[in-house]
Amino acid sequence: KQEVTQIPAALSVPEGENLVLNCSFTDSAIYNLQWFRQDPGKGLTSLLLIQSSQREQTSGRLNASLDKSSGRSTLYIAASQPGDSATYLCASNYGGSQGNLIFGKGTKLSVKP
Amino acid sequence: AAGVIQSPRHLIKEKRETATLKCYPIPRHDTVYWYQQGPGQDPQFLISFYEKMQSDKGSIPDRFSAQQFSDYHSELNMSSLELGDSALYFCASSLGLRTDTQYFGPGTRLTVL
Repeated sequence: KQEVTQIPAALSVPEGENLVLNCSFTDSAIYNLQWFRQDPGKGLTSLLLIQSSQREQTSGRLNASLDKSSGRSTLYIAASQPGDSATYLCASNYGGSQGNLIFGKGTKLSVKP
Repeated sequence: AAGVIQSPRHLIKEKRETATLKCYPIPRHDTVYWYQQGPGQDPQFLISFYEKMQSDKGSIPDRFSAQQFSDYHSELNMSSLELGDSALYFCASSLGLRTDTQYFGPGTRLTVL
């Protein structure tokens, strides 16, 4: 069964810290992996997408890496800000006739001023 | 840039009633996915359509049905509603099944009383 696990479930850091969120997936035959941000009761905002052929993607203060062989992805957030407080979800996509995303349960991030 | 549109944004129904949720994908996107996110849960895949044909089915109850129309918008029909159907329902669209980024709509919050 294809599963996605995110550790930790919750994280609280002071403003300005660099932090890493972890995501692991059971099936390494991944097509791509996507990171999302979700604010309470709101929709999903796509942050970064990494194709299986890529090792990392960067957008502003965010950097996501992908290691297919170990079944892991990390989201690195530099110089965290209170506005970064949200739940971060990673989702794996195995392509083919499916293409649907399999989500982890997310990491709830709180950045304190 | 145009985003995925979902309507209604909020819906309140009684048990055993029916509900119809609508999704308008980003222009030129030919693939639509439906996800259900229960309170405190990660999004779960329900069903997807590619070029107006059902492409995959996830954990969608038999009481639910969906279709994609000629203009690529999609509707999720839910009958005999149960309390457990209360959730946030997301629609996502992409260009093709072997997809790049899936773009999510703001969601429809369904409350069953």
